Order: sequence, then structure tokens, then C-alpha cells
Amino acid sequence: DQQVKQNSPSLSVQEGRISILNCDYTNSMFDYFLWYKKYPAEGPTFLISISSIKDKNEDGRFTVFLNKSAKHLSLHIVPSQPGDSAVYFCAASAWHSGTYKYIFGTGTRLKVLA
Amino acid sequence: DVKVTQSSRYLVKRTGEKVFLECVQDMDHENMFWYRQDPGLGLRLIYFSYDVKMKEKGDIPEGYSVSREKKERFSLILESASTNQTSMYLCASSLDGNTEAFFGQGTRLTVV
Repeated sequence: DQQVKQNSPSLSVQEGRISILNCDYTNSMFDYFLWYKKYPAEGPTFLISISSIKDKNEDGRFTVFLNKSAKHLSLHIVPSQPGDSAVYFCAASAWHSGTYKYIFGTGTRLKVLA
Repeated sequence: DVKVTQSSRYLVKRTGEKVFLECVQDMDHENMFWYRQDPGLGLRLIYFSYDVKMKEKGDIPEGYSVSREKKERFSLILESASTNQTSMYLCASSLDGNTEAFFGQGTRLTVV
């Protein structure tokens, strides 16, 4: 049962345009969400996060939006650059047995075309 | 600069071997995690630990065990490696549930 879903396996965008990556989740108890970027043969690197008490968080070219009623979050990258080409994972932090764990989606491969 | 270090970038092991993957973090984090990444399946949690000698099963613990004897070190053990354990293994650590997890560079394990 996939609690965090990224339904688009891939996305292609022209350089300079906006990239929108989407993520849906099923557990209303999640209270912290994160986006990671991953290049081949490297570990994921943290991009941006958002608490469930907010609906938007911005950091430079990256903005994350959270719609709790729809259980949906999105990552906007604007303007997109060729160096943004990577796999993007969304994740949620879930409380579990007195501690917590991070649950990841399946990833979206972004290709930014020059 | 924070760091999570995995002992090997690439490993090739034979079926049936016992395999140890080591991970060390220098951030004094309580929480450590082992994931595997497979195409189309994303990052799946194998085991995690919130304290020394404490461990919790993740979503796919079968065929794996872990050890956390010291706070900074979290080891993943494949008791008897099988070809379906060929994967990219990723270790991570975090301070708490409302901060980001930091990942190591990954270990690409091939079981032949």
C-alpha cells in the first residue's frame, strides 16, 4: 500500500519554463513533507520541506505547496535549468511506535531541455 | 559540513554470502535509516533505529538485519545474499521528525 504516490514517472520541460512535480498521500496523520533531488549513483539531497500547518514554503527557485484537504503537495521550480535534471522524490514523516520514519514516493524523473 | 558516509560505493557479492553494509554519521543524530532504491519502486525503508541498540522494522525487512552498537554507526546485514537483493542501498540520519534526513552517497550492491 503506497502511502505516498508520485503518479508521473517522468516530466520534460524547456529551460526557463516552470516545472511542476506532484505528489499525493493517503495518511492524514503525516505532519511534515519533504522533497529530495537525486542524481544517478549519488544519495538524495534535501531540497525543501513544509510543515502541515503551512500551505506554502519558498526557497529561491523552489516552492512547495501543500493542500491538506486534497492530500496533495507539489514542487514548483522556476525557472527550470538543465542542472535541475534529476529524479525528484517526495517524502512524508510519519510517527511510528514511539518514533518516526520517512516514507518516500516512487520518484519523478525531470528532464530540462536546453 | 554534515556527513553520512557509507563504507563502499560498489560491491559485488556471491549468492549465499553474508554481507555487511556500514554507515557512519558525524552529526550526533539519534535516528538512522536504511533504504533500498529500485527502478519504479522509489526508496523503500528496510530498517530504522532511534537509539543505540534500538531498531524497528521498515516496510521490507525480510532477508536483512541491522546493528547499532554506537550512536554514529548503523550497519545493514544481508544474512545470505540473494540476487533479488541487488540494489542501491542508501543510509540516512536525522535529528527528529520535523527536520530533513541526510543521506550517504549510496552503495550499489550486485549479487551474482
